[in-house]
Amino acid sequence: EPEVTQTPSHQVTQMGQEVILRCVPISNHLYFYWYRQILGQKVEFLVSFYNNEISEKSEIFDDQFSVERPDGSNFTLKIRSTKLEDSAMYFCASSLTSGGDTQYFGPGTRLTVL
Amino acid sequence: GEDVEQSLFLSVREGDSSVINCTYTDSSSTYLYWYKQEPGAGLQLLTYIFSNMDMKQDQRLTVLLNKKDKHLSLRIADTQTGDSAIYFCAEIRASSASKIIFGSGTRLSIRP
Repeated sequence: EPEVTQTPSHQVTQMGQEVILRCVPISNHLYFYWYRQILGQKVEFLVSFYNNEISEKSEIFDDQFSVERPDGSNFTLKIRSTKLEDSAMYFCASSLTSGGDTQYFGPGTRLTVL
Repeated sequence: GEDVEQSLFLSVREGDSSVINCTYTDSSSTYLYWYKQEPGAGLQLLTYIFSNMDMKQDQRLTVLLNKKDKHLSLRIADTQTGDSAIYFCAEIRASSASKIIFGSGTRLSIRP
């Protein structure tokens, strides 16, 4: 069964450094998402992406964050200058259509900012 | 607000039924979901229900939706040790086609 994959599984970085989290969505999916879960808190929506554009973003997704689909398979989340409070599990998801269509989640990348 | 609320823990005996409850605040919810998260794994969609339905059954899983009270439940029949996980209630609203709003998750533990 097709699945969403994410790399790395765990990323440790120093405060102020840039990180890029990578995702490979399911191959025929057209909509892509990032969510995050700070330890002990809810899973929160960050951004959705369709047709090479951001279609929706949350208040969390400020200028420090960016997303890109650099080729036909990868979907990345970049954090330009990490802060301690960016430490979280970051989940990528994809869906074939939007409007409630099932979003399939990857296993997550645990980001630790020191 | 954006509240989807769940109790944090549930412990059931193996073989019994588990009932995980969830309340939500927005009456414009279009889809309501139950996701399962096992340790070290991603979020696995278990089942979903359209807002115009009041019940959905899928093998051992039964979802009940009470729109009037904004209450969603997930019943797992004949609970097994493999059902140990965190269960997230979630919704999508009419105002957003892409943003899933999650509850805090209920940790289900199974005792022998």
